[in-house]
Amino acid sequence: DAGITQSPRHKVTETGTPVTLRCHQTENHRYMYWYRQDPGHGLRLIHYSYGVKDTDKGEVSDGYSVSRSKTEDFLLTLESATSSQTSVYFCAISVGDPRSSYNEQFFGPGTRLTVL
Amino acid sequence: GIQVEQSPPDLILQEGANSTLRCNFSDSVNNLQWFHQNPWGQLINLFYIPSGTKQNGRLSATTVATERYSLLYISSSQTTDSGVYFCAVAGSGAGSYQLTFGKGTKLSVIP
Repeated sequence: DAGITQSPRHKVTETGTPVTLRCHQTENHRYMYWYRQDPGHGLRLIHYSYGVKDTDKGEVSDGYSVSRSKTEDFLLTLESATSSQTSVYFCAISVGDPRSSYNEQFFGPGTRLTVL
Repeated sequence: GIQVEQSPPDLILQEGANSTLRCNFSDSVNNLQWFHQNPWGQLINLFYIPSGTKQNGRLSATTVATERYSLLYISSSQTTDSGVYFCAVAGSGAGSYQLTFGKGTKLSVIP
């Protein structure tokens, strides 16, 4: 499982409240990612990180922010949750380097978020 | 960005049958992975296969990069093979960070 944990695993919140999801990895991987999974869409990239304090936007970044103050933790924040952000959120890490010939991603167990 | 199409979208098999799942992609890729999402939602890595052929037990995969497709073969299927199979690809350059997923093939293996 590449040593990836996510917390919480389930959360129900109300529209307009802030929410932070945590991804923790134990193997010192440089690259980390947040994806969301919705029915009919597969998984889509929200944000990614290529090092401490180095992050960039993915395909569906609106309404989300991220932070990475230490190698092992990558936080995803919904500043003011909306019902359209109800989804399953997956964290991932890269073994290898996306810029090289080998870049395999491994995924955490997921967080199911419901925004009422 | 790269487009990924998977077929068939749904597949029902009798236990013991064989199947082939297909993934077509629209541009050259540096990364191609196959995943199995089990009924509990966990994403399990099956193959990292941007080109060539690999085998792991009853599963094998082939990617023909020049023709932009990959195939996943499941032989002697078991009920535990049920779930959704995803193909995901990443391109080169700025696109190398992002895995683009297909919509998946939902496999149901019945006893």
